Amino acid sequence: DIVMTQSPDSLAVSLGERATINCKSSQSLFYSSNNENYLAWYQQKPGQPPELLIYWASTRESGVPDRFSGSGSGTDFTLTISSLQAEDVAVYYCQQYYTTPPSFGGGTKVEIK
Amino acid sequence: QLQLQESGPGLVKPSETLSLTCTVSGGSISSNNYYWGWIRQPPGKGPEWIGSIYYSGSTYYNPSLKSRVTISVDTSKNQFSLKLSSVTAADTAVYYCARHPLGRTVYYFDYWGQGTLVTVSS
Repeated sequence: DIVMTQSPDSLAVSLGERATINCKSSQSLFYSSNNENYLAWYQQKPGQPPELLIYWASTRESGVPDRFSGSGSGTDFTLTISSLQAEDVAVYYCQQYYTTPPSFGGGTKVEIK
Repeated sequence: QLQLQESGPGLVKPSETLSLTCTVSGGSISSNNYYWGWIRQPPGKGPEWIGSIYYSGSTYYNPSLKSRVTISVDTSKNQFSLKLSSVTAADTAVYYCARHPLGRTVYYFDYWGQGTLVTVSS
């Protein structure tokens, strides 16, 4: 199974500042047949289910604000919140779907400094 | 707007079988393009995929749980169900149902239910 490792475990960022979350996979998530990275990002607020933010490593889900962006390829990926808003306080998870079973990272908690 | 809703007992005794149902509304479970899955999340931990089913009845299971899991579908009721046998305290978690696109593997999950907490305790 592919192991997903996120860093940091938590971070505190001032309102309007940039937040950067890292995700590393134990094997490459790049599929050369379609030139895609099989990596998704989710946001989970307390008491709510995870919400899909990004898939194919960098494609934003419909309705997701453009301050959220995904980047990276192979085994190293990043979720960036360009200007942190109060409503972005949450836990963020990465998920690989290169192989079955799909697997999630341990999560990164984002708070306001 | 597609909605998924989990239902079932919130308390299950050790060694018994956990049974949950997910009711889909605002769309058909018989869509050609999507699988329907179960995911669980122990308190304070990341999600874990349990398994998925297509409307035809084709299933994928997580190998770590496969021996104890059965997922079934009832297209007439627009529902799919989960059974997890021989539960222990380690199976205590919030259980979610979710949808994912049909693809080469089990893809990302784009719609989720609100989740239901299942506690395993005598």
